Amino acid sequence: ILNVEQSPQSLHVQEGDSTNFTCSFPSSNFYALHWYRWETAKSPEALFVMTLNGDEKKKGRISATLNTKEGYSYLYIKGSQPEDSATYLCAFCTVLGSTLGRLYFGRGTQLTVWP
Amino acid sequence: GAVVSQHPSRVICKSGTSVKIECRSLDFQATTMFWYRQFPKKSLMLMATSNEGSKATYEQGVEKDKFLINHASLTLSTLTVTSAHPEDSSFYICSARDSAVSYGYTFGSGTRLTVV
Repeated sequence: ILNVEQSPQSLHVQEGDSTNFTCSFPSSNFYALHWYRWETAKSPEALFVMTLNGDEKKKGRISATLNTKEGYSYLYIKGSQPEDSATYLCAFCTVLGSTLGRLYFGRGTQLTVWP
Repeated sequence: GAVVSQHPSRVICKSGTSVKIECRSLDFQATTMFWYRQFPKKSLMLMATSNEGSKATYEQGVEKDKFLINHASLTLSTLTVTSAHPEDSSFYICSARDSAVSYGYTFGSGTRLTVV
């Protein structure tokens, strides 16, 4: 089983604060790194798929970076809003194994943004 | 966008009974379906992978006779928990891969199973 670690486990911030989370994953046999936003009782929503070392992606106030050589990705949220409250999951996809395309998930970072 | 409809969202069953969970892909063909399970405070763990028309591939430690997976069509996959026991109580969620979209995975909304 490959380890994917996310930190912090939970985060409480005030509206307007900027925040960032970390996802660490194995630095070998990398294929892709996925970020998802997951609200309670809904389906996880894909935010980013990152494949190249040094990738930076942005979607509105949310952005992510990728370092495959050292095995980490950061997710940033600028000016957090209450609607950003959710669990943010990262998932690592490796070229190894018989099931190409299987995702290894972290436990997620639960973000709460207070108005 | 692509949507996977998962039902039921919540089910309570008696020990020894079987429960079926359905995942339907809307507006796209799910050539591969992944089934995950999540225990409290743990990460999503892959249980099995199924390709349409083929037998499912189960992860180590997952009993194939207990967790029956059927993926008979490109839009429907089912997971049946047979002879459920309290230790099977968990959160189950499916994820469909759309072969037309690179790196595309679409998740259902999950099923909370409680076995009493």
